[in-house]
Amino acid sequence: KAGVTQTPRYLIKTRGQQVTLSCSPISGHRSVSWYQQTPGQGLQFLFEYFSETQRNKGNFPGRFSGRQFSNSRSEMNVSTLELGDSALYLCASSLQRHTGPPDEQYFGPGTRLTVT
Amino acid sequence: QKEVEQDPGPLSVPEGAIVSLNCTYSNSAFQYFMWYRQYSRKGPELLMYTYSSGNKEDGRFTAQVDKSSKYISLFIRDSQPSDSATYLCAMNRDDKIIFGKGTRLHILP
Repeated sequence: KAGVTQTPRYLIKTRGQQVTLSCSPISGHRSVSWYQQTPGQGLQFLFEYFSETQRNKGNFPGRFSGRQFSNSRSEMNVSTLELGDSALYLCASSLQRHTGPPDEQYFGPGTRLTVT
Repeated sequence: QKEVEQDPGPLSVPEGAIVSLNCTYSNSAFQYFMWYRQYSRKGPELLMYTYSSGNKEDGRFTAQVDKSSKYISLFIRDSQPSDSATYLCAMNRDDKIIFGKGTRLHILP
């Protein structure tokens, strides 16, 4: 069974630009969560989508948004990029919600975003 | 005070030693306590999780939770160079998973 895939793997953008990252979950998984990982703040929850609906959101500004398609693939968008948005963006998929017994959440390899 | 605190390390130990990784937390509402391993340029992978206080063993790994002290640990026995990675503790509450910042572990051959 193929794992979680994320594209692109690496991205360099300029301040003020916008970016769209893509995540394809494991086949059959309906929940996709997005995280931002930085050395200073660690791994922080951005939002979760389940069956095309945003179920939960972390404490990030409105510049961060996402969506999920009917095939469970998900995209996240960051508008008006800032230097501090440089990070590894990870998505994780699971069969159900990401809460409860966590033995079904699988992470992708991440997209490394660098903002210059 | 952060909800989950974890020493970032790095922690260097010789091969074969017992490794102890720890996290403290402040919110008693946490239900599940998890340990993830993250290799360089990879996403985290779930190692094991526990629900209640006590110990849970899986091969060379033992997870320990002490809810009264709000303290969790991961022990690695007979450590191997392949165990070199960043280990993140995580806990969930209110539909969110809160991660520690991770401890970088180096096992020296």
